[in-house]
Amino acid sequence: GEDVEQSLFLSVREGDSSVINCTYTDSSSTYLYWYKQEPGAGLQLLTYIFSNMDMKQDQRLTVLLNKKDKHLSLRIADTQTGDSAIYFCAEGSWGKFQFGAGTQVVVTP
Amino acid sequence: DSGVTQTPKHLITATGQRVTLRCSPRSGDLSVYWYQQSLDQGLQFLIQYYNGEERAKGNILERFSAQQFPDLHSELNLSSLELGDSALYFCASSVDPPGRNTGELFFGEGSRLTVL
Repeated sequence: GEDVEQSLFLSVREGDSSVINCTYTDSSSTYLYWYKQEPGAGLQLLTYIFSNMDMKQDQRLTVLLNKKDKHLSLRIADTQTGDSAIYFCAEGSWGKFQFGAGTQVVVTP
Repeated sequence: DSGVTQTPKHLITATGQRVTLRCSPRSGDLSVYWYQQSLDQGLQFLIQYYNGEERAKGNILERFSAQQFPDLHSELNLSSLELGDSALYFCASSVDPPGRNTGELFFGEGSRLTVL
């Protein structure tokens, strides 16, 4: 996913907030996504945001989109051990998806 | 359970060999995508099929080929295998047509290929 960049690793303490950042290049993308991959499993959609939105909140998850800077972030409030996984940022429209390399989030007690 | 089924889950083979990975999409999904996940290159898009026809092509090597059958299942064929082909191969499917959904991809659990 050379067109989508994200940091590779994040360590966070249980109960703290996690923030995962992503930059993308294709301004024509209709949606931006966050996928979660747990060990030994495939990717699963966590949340998405339409490209004309600035923010989306879904329970503990907050997605912020800065379209001008092509920057996307995912904030996880009150991070739990079950949030330990690899998180992938992706941009796309139908038929074309670009994924970042994934950010491994490790939650420590 | 995403509804996408991939077989085999694990496969060990030797260099120079050929393997076939199989994917059954979610019921009703017309699009199938293949991705390769390796430690050094992350998640790489290989190819997409829509209702039996190739729709988009990514970083797929010439030694690799795929097809989607009338029953919508798909196969990814990997030939003249090299050590560097060792990876996790994911299949994903999606609801179509465009403009009527968020484009969410549903991923299978992957086929782990080890080339010795």
